[in-house]
Amino acid sequence: DSGVTQTPKHLITATGQRVTLRCSPRSGDLSVYWYQQSLDQGLQFLIHYYNGEERAKGNILERFSAQQFPDLHSELNLSSLELGDSALYFCASSVVSGAYGYTFGSGTRLTVV
Amino acid sequence: GENVEQHPSTLSVQEGDSAVIKCTYSDSASNYFPWYKQELGKRPQLIIDIRSNVGEKKDQRIAVTLNKTAKHFSLHITETQPEDSAVYFCAASLGGGGADGLTFGKGTHLIIQP
Repeated sequence: DSGVTQTPKHLITATGQRVTLRCSPRSGDLSVYWYQQSLDQGLQFLIHYYNGEERAKGNILERFSAQQFPDLHSELNLSSLELGDSALYFCASSVVSGAYGYTFGSGTRLTVV
Repeated sequence: GENVEQHPSTLSVQEGDSAVIKCTYSDSASNYFPWYKQELGKRPQLIIDIRSNVGEKKDQRIAVTLNKTAKHFSLHITETQPEDSAVYFCAASLGGGGADGLTFGKGTHLIIQP
């Protein structure tokens, strides 16, 4: 167990729908990063939050958004889902706002049908 | 932005032999280079990392080398074992306060032949 908790583990939904993925970082970690892993694009950075504030955006679509709450858990919202959004979504956490000591959660596998 | 190229995409070695995976990066400002191992259906796990002020780092059978001038870094696994079979990803980042996350290579599927 990495200490980073992601729910749900699996999600199957239809095109056009909206889903919310949840991530609880390791105790004491202030940074949460979201990544998308697909067969064609590999592991891609989506967005980074540090202590409730957005710090950086990567290849995140406008249909996607995220936030980090005062208790430091984060949610990734995916809307107007398309077949191509099917992927593994990982969050990772670290103590500081930087890449040292990344710990990934077990991921949420999203299937859009 | 940063671009990371990783080779080979698949590597098959005999058990007990060494394996080498190579990555190049494009942004000379990158200063943190981790390697992750991912088994099928599981999360990426950090196995070793190196910062730009160090040329080589070892941890038991695993070592990473960095050539900042050429902008490439490599993962070396010696005395390979069946449990080393997995997909390995290299990554680069500004790190140390850089907020932009990691840029990953496309991965190398390492197969250890018994």
